[in-house]
Amino acid sequence: DAGITQSPRHKVTETGTPVTLRCHQTENHRYMYWYRQDPGHGLRLIHYSYGVKDTDKGEVSDGYSVSRSKTEDFLLTLESATSSQTSVYFCAISESRGFSYNEQFFGPGTRLTVL
Amino acid sequence: AQSVTQLGSHVSVSEGALVLLRCNYSSSVPPYLFWYVQYPNQGLQLLLKYTSAATLVKGINGFEAEFKKSETSFHLTKPSAHMSDAAEYFCAVSSMNSGYSTLTFGKGTMLLVSP
Repeated sequence: DAGITQSPRHKVTETGTPVTLRCHQTENHRYMYWYRQDPGHGLRLIHYSYGVKDTDKGEVSDGYSVSRSKTEDFLLTLESATSSQTSVYFCAISESRGFSYNEQFFGPGTRLTVL
Repeated sequence: AQSVTQLGSHVSVSEGALVLLRCNYSSSVPPYLFWYVQYPNQGLQLLLKYTSAATLVKGINGFEAEFKKSETSFHLTKPSAHMSDAAEYFCAVSSMNSGYSTLTFGKGTMLLVSP
């Protein structure tokens, strides 16, 4: 299994509070991704990173920010959590070889509940 | 933009029966396609991928998928279902996003296997 850990694995928080989720990899892969998974929606891309300090928005980026100061860590921050951000969040990594294909490896997920 | 449609949010089969999970894609360029499996409370695991080398792709756990350009399909099959195959399955297509490759996922199909 790819060396990907996510912390915390479970979190309950209140509306309006800031929340930071961490993704850590030991594979030295260049690309990292944050997804959210909701019933009936599959996985939707929030943000991704193609290198240290290089990030871009995905399909559902509103209300989220990210940072990547080291190759191994990719942080997802909810500045002011809302109930609509209750979800399971997955981190993924990839060592993309140019533009040919993009096989991603997934972490175990973080279940976030916003009350 | 690329997209994926998975027909049927739930598919039920008996143990030993054929498994067929449907995936149709939309892509303006030759696609790269993936099937992932998710067991309860786990992350996603790659089953197989199509990268244009061969139209019939074999994956792990006895699964295979056939790329049919004329039908824009990439259906997943397994000749004989096992109880351990019960999981959620996701089809995904590689997309170009601001010059970098990302994955767009279908909404998933839950496979139920009965004795």
